[in-house]
Amino acid sequence: NSKVIQTPRYLVKGQGQKAKMRCIPEKGHPVVFWYQQNKNNEFKFLINFQNQEVLQQIDMTEKRFSAECPSNSPCSLEIQSSEAGDSALYLCASSYRDWGGQNTLYFGAGTRLSVL
Amino acid sequence: GDSVTQTEGQVALSEEDFLTIHCNYSASGYPALFWYVQYPGEGPQFLFRASRDKEKGSSRGFEATYDKGTTSFHLRKASVQESDSAVYYCALGITGNTGKLIFGLGTTLQVQP
Repeated sequence: NSKVIQTPRYLVKGQGQKAKMRCIPEKGHPVVFWYQQNKNNEFKFLINFQNQEVLQQIDMTEKRFSAECPSNSPCSLEIQSSEAGDSALYLCASSYRDWGGQNTLYFGAGTRLSVL
Repeated sequence: GDSVTQTEGQVALSEEDFLTIHCNYSASGYPALFWYVQYPGEGPQFLFRASRDKEKGSSRGFEATYDKGTTSFHLRKASVQESDSAVYYCALGITGNTGKLIFGLGTTLQVQP
């Protein structure tokens, strides 16, 4: 069973509404990733953190998406104004910090967002 | 750019059949290669990885060998079971790429009893 905990499992929002999901990484893992998986099973990397600092993020994340990993609190991903195209499975993963950059990622069960 | 190409679509087998799912990659540098499995309603689970040429990774009866010459990491299992039905993903990790993985499009394995 995954040790990465994501909540909620399901999220239903109307267009223009905020959608927020949370992630508790596996204990001892300093690096947290967010991916979007669409209905065609394609993975899109959104953002990753090491502790509270952003390592890398894509342009989409910079506009309507916001994410944070505060100290001693769950990480979160929030969509400020949901669009139909945001309907997807949002996956959180965590890993050790491999300075070679070749981390093994451990995923949570995901939050399935449906934007009506 | 860096990418992964794997067997497209679905693979339909019967129990005890031999499984091969092809995975080829394109990457600068020397990537690590991974296989993940995703069951319905769950997140992807790590199966195994390999980081060096000719290194074999294995888990739960599945195995793959890193081949730098053919840029491949094909997944194999000698005898599949119905419980192996799932979506399998090949992924690569690039050195110095902040740790993110690049995933293939997945291959759906359906095993009939």
